[in-house]
Amino acid sequence: QQQVKQSPQSLIVQKGGIPIINCAYENTAFDYFPWYQQFPGKGPALLIAIRPDVSEKKEGRFTISFNKSAKQFSLHIMDSQPGDSATYFCAAKEGQGAQKLVFGQGTRLTINP
Amino acid sequence: DTEVTQTPKHLVMGMTNKKSLKCEQHMGHRAMYWYKQKAKKPPELMFVYSYEKLSINESVPSRFSPECPNSSLLNLHLHALQPEDSALYLCASSQVLSQPQHFGDGTRLSIL
Repeated sequence: QQQVKQSPQSLIVQKGGIPIINCAYENTAFDYFPWYQQFPGKGPALLIAIRPDVSEKKEGRFTISFNKSAKQFSLHIMDSQPGDSATYFCAAKEGQGAQKLVFGQGTRLTINP
Repeated sequence: DTEVTQTPKHLVMGMTNKKSLKCEQHMGHRAMYWYKQKAKKPPELMFVYSYEKLSINESVPSRFSPECPNSSLLNLHLHALQPEDSALYLCASSQVLSQPQHFGDGTRLSIL
């Protein structure tokens, strides 16, 4: 059962554009939503994360938008650069119980020069 | 460089071999995790340790045996693996279970 649905699977954007990656969830017990960035041959690196009590969080060029009623959240990358080309995973975690991190299927992002 | 260190970076082994993967962190984290990642897929959770005790085993075959000798070290012992076990094995740690997880760069495992 896929608990976090991520789209698109792949995305190509010109340098300076704003790629947007979307995720949707169904489990209302999720209370922590991180995004990970993974380069080839490397492990996932925590990029930015949000909790459902806020609707937006910015860290540098990366912004998470969160819509609790729609159970959706998205990652925006401002002024995208070729160095941002990587695979991005959204994830979600419950605040109680096993607290396992549930990942989306990933988005392969390419930023063309 | 990540603060979670995994060794070796690459490992090739036969189906009858016994080998171990090692993970170290010196951030004082008390939760540690093993994940398996196949190409173009998200990480899949295998095991979770909290305060050196196994808290989650995601129905992983017994040919994978985790060990947490102390709060900084996590091992994954491998025996009689199958070709389909070839993957990137990732270790992660967090302060406690509720805190963000930080990943190492993984061990690329190939089973001949």
